[in-house]
Amino acid sequence: DAGVIQSPRHEVTEMGQEVTLRCKPISGHNSLFWYRQTMMRGLELLIYFNNNVPIDDSGMPEDRFSAKMPNASFSTLKIQPSEPRDSAVYFCASNSRDRKNIQYFGAGTRLSVL
Amino acid sequence: AQRVTQPEKLLSVFKGAPVELKCNYSYSGSPELFWYVQYSRQRLQLLLRHISRESIKGFTADLNKGETSFHLKKPFAQEEDSAMYYCALRQEGFQKLVFGTGTRLLVSP
Repeated sequence: DAGVIQSPRHEVTEMGQEVTLRCKPISGHNSLFWYRQTMMRGLELLIYFNNNVPIDDSGMPEDRFSAKMPNASFSTLKIQPSEPRDSAVYFCASNSRDRKNIQYFGAGTRLSVL
Repeated sequence: AQRVTQPEKLLSVFKGAPVELKCNYSYSGSPELFWYVQYSRQRLQLLLRHISRESIKGFTADLNKGETSFHLKKPFAQEEDSAMYYCALRQEGFQKLVFGTGTRLLVSP
């Protein structure tokens, strides 16, 4: 398996633009997580899905952020409109409820909002 | 609410010196504890978990329920251990992980 796949790897945009980050979880995994990593706050959970259903979105900063999981193999995190303070690395992770129950991370998307 | 505390933002040691990265947690139930490592510009990867009771890359961590700690230790640090280390907790019956703010380990030659 190629692991959790995120795209794009880097995104540079201007304030006010819409940004869409994409994630393909590991095949067979039924939980998907979106995290934001910054120097100041470390790794923060934004939202997670079980079986494509959002379970906990309490970490989503504000209404400008939204996430969807239309099927088991794809999820998006959208920021509209983007602001400079959204600049961070965004990670997606997935895991399955098997004996291992380990969370596997993607390589991340480095977002810069100018 | 569950909380994970990593008191040190940065830990700097010389090669060959012992290393201990501190992790304390607050949770009233039976937690599952993890250490994740992130090498420079790479993805986070699981280093070890308390239920495995194993040593990975020379690192060990023991869950101390009395002190609510899960410190990561290595007797002799190597330069390639330089990375960001995150301690994480999972509540019984839940999938989500609660992460600490991370400790950057720098091992100098």
